[in-house]
Amino acid sequence: AQRVTQPEKLLSVFKGAPVELKCNYSYSGSPELFWYVQYSRQRLQLLLRHISRESIKGFTADLNKGETSFHLKKPFAQEEDSAMYYCALPDQAGTALIFGKGTTLSVSS
Amino acid sequence: DGGITQSPKYLFRKEGQNVTLSCEQNLNHDAMYWYRQDPGQGLRLIYYSQIVNDFQKGDIAEGYSVSREKKESFPLTVTSAQKNPTAFYLCASSMGGGQTNEKLFFGSGTQLSVL
Repeated sequence: AQRVTQPEKLLSVFKGAPVELKCNYSYSGSPELFWYVQYSRQRLQLLLRHISRESIKGFTADLNKGETSFHLKKPFAQEEDSAMYYCALPDQAGTALIFGKGTTLSVSS
Repeated sequence: DGGITQSPKYLFRKEGQNVTLSCEQNLNHDAMYWYRQDPGQGLRLIYYSQIVNDFQKGDIAEGYSVSREKKESFPLTVTSAQKNPTAFYLCASSMGGGQTNEKLFFGSGTQLSVL
């Protein structure tokens, strides 16, 4: 069955430090993976998706099929990056997204 | 701030009472979803609808019911059978067409608490 695992509940880093938010998945076939972000007092929103191969707000994520991972990375964290981050992929039917349990990123100065 | 609107922002339920959470979108999206967000549990799918007059159960549908009579609206009823209803409920929509590579647009959520 499709599953998304985010092993860290909380990740605390200092401003300017590199950030890596981990996401591992189980999926039969070629997955389409997403990162969603929820800033304080804002709506949950799409940050980036695998298929677009984009960099948003300095974040990138590479799909590693061998390790079944889609880790989110940023070389230099900013305080405004503090938020809850969710990794997601489609369910078996391909009609809805399954989300991980989320990782809270806290960036302090 | 249009797009997808959830109401009310806060809702209280008494024992044995059914309550309905509203979700309306003006994005002309075919697909709509209901998720439940609990601390440490992430988002769990309750129900979803890919098209008007059709909907499917998600992972935690027990104790909930939905309807999709209009494209714009996807209300969620939390019935008295749901024994642990206290949670933050999120509604989302996407263009649909049966594809999940579409971006989800989320509402601002409804916090449901039990009195």
